[in-house]
Amino acid sequence: GAVVSQHPSRVICKSGTSVKIECRSLDFQATTMFWYRQFPKQSLMLMATSNEGSKATYEQGVEKDKFLINHASLTLSTLTVTSAHPEDSSFYICSAREPSSYEQYFGPGTRLTVT
Amino acid sequence: DAKTTQPPSMDCAEGRAANLPCNHSTISGNEYVYWYRQIHSQGPQYIIHGLKNNETNEMASLIITEDRKSSTLILPHATLRDTAVYYCIVSPYNTDKLIFGTGTRLQVFP
Repeated sequence: GAVVSQHPSRVICKSGTSVKIECRSLDFQATTMFWYRQFPKQSLMLMATSNEGSKATYEQGVEKDKFLINHASLTLSTLTVTSAHPEDSSFYICSAREPSSYEQYFGPGTRLTVT
Repeated sequence: DAKTTQPPSMDCAEGRAANLPCNHSTISGNEYVYWYRQIHSQGPQYIIHGLKNNETNEMASLIITEDRKSSTLILPHATLRDTAVYYCIVSPYNTDKLIFGTGTRLQVFP
């Protein structure tokens, strides 16, 4: 099946710095990708829909100026957590659907720890 | 908000069938039922989906009631590797947006 990768898998950063997470569709083109956040022992929460060549659509309650999303190509979307704080520590997961398939493929996730 | 209700946890003996229920009483006519699972600290994995007919693939079977208000995911011969959180999601077919509920934590024991 199709593969979605994320980089890095783990990152530790200091409070106040920014962190960029990459999401790539390895063997298909994705006009739309999704970003989720998951806190320990909780479900996935959809943060935003990333659209290639246009602005991302954010879910209610998600700060677009804090979580910057760029979808510059059909195989790459990036999520930048700006001015990170300890409460931003979480598991960030991206997903995309191959156009010819009904199933959505998820990346392995990026664990962000802000100290 | 998620449109589904699932029991928070279930146990199943290895080799037995695991039957995971899901209630989606407010499902609309154009919404499909999807099942995904998430093994600890990994991204979710697609299992199966259906509209109104029962479906089967190499991983599982999906039984949807005639009124479509509930469904059951069946893992016919559960293994220890099936221990995961299972999410039932309803979503229109023409949208990729998936809203996850709380899911069912399935523990398969030897």
